[in-house]
Amino acid sequence: AQTVTQSQPEMSVQEAETVTLSCTYDTSESDYYLFWYKQPPSRQMILVIRQEAYKQQNATENRFSVNFQKAAKSFSLKISDSQLGDAAMYFCAYRTLNTGNQFYFGTGTSLTVIP
Amino acid sequence: DTAVSQTPKYLVTQMGNDKSIKCEQNLGHDTMYWYKQDSKKFLKIMFSYNNKELIINETVPNRFSPKSPDKAHLNLHINSLELGDSAVYFCASSPWSRAGGYTFGSGTRLTVV
Repeated sequence: AQTVTQSQPEMSVQEAETVTLSCTYDTSESDYYLFWYKQPPSRQMILVIRQEAYKQQNATENRFSVNFQKAAKSFSLKISDSQLGDAAMYFCAYRTLNTGNQFYFGTGTSLTVIP
Repeated sequence: DTAVSQTPKYLVTQMGNDKSIKCEQNLGHDTMYWYKQDSKKFLKIMFSYNNKELIINETVPNRFSPKSPDKAHLNLHINSLELGDSAVYFCASSPWSRAGGYTFGSGTRLTVV
């Protein structure tokens, strides 16, 4: 089974600054999808950004961007101009295209934004 | 309109009881899932259905039984509840196609006392 590792259980960032959350994964597949999800205190899981493994270009969504290094199996999330509303738990997820198309989630990184 | 709707949002019950959590999606997705999030926030898949067919059935106690009457609904029934079943349960749906991400329900916080 695929494994997803988030080595930073907690991170903090000053408001308006930039922070990078790390994620690595282990797979023997060549084609897959990667995602970052945000879970604020409201508990709702919100999709932040998605990356297709076959695309070399890094995905970007407004203040959120990823650094996808396929050979290194690394998928970090960069949040620019951090806002108080960015405070949440962030989960990295791997979607296999094999049986069940299921997601594998990392253990999460809790991000605190300091005013 | 809520895309993935779970009910109830909170459930407090005594050990030994039987309870159900309902999930409905109006996105036209083919696949639905149940995930369990434990107290350390770890998300682990329990079940997956594609067009009413069970695709993934992870190692969960057989006290947990999913039911999918149609592809828009996936309910979770739990028999003989135990203290260790306390967690947040998330329903999610996705298209079967390669590009789809999950759309999650808002979660059900189950507390067994």
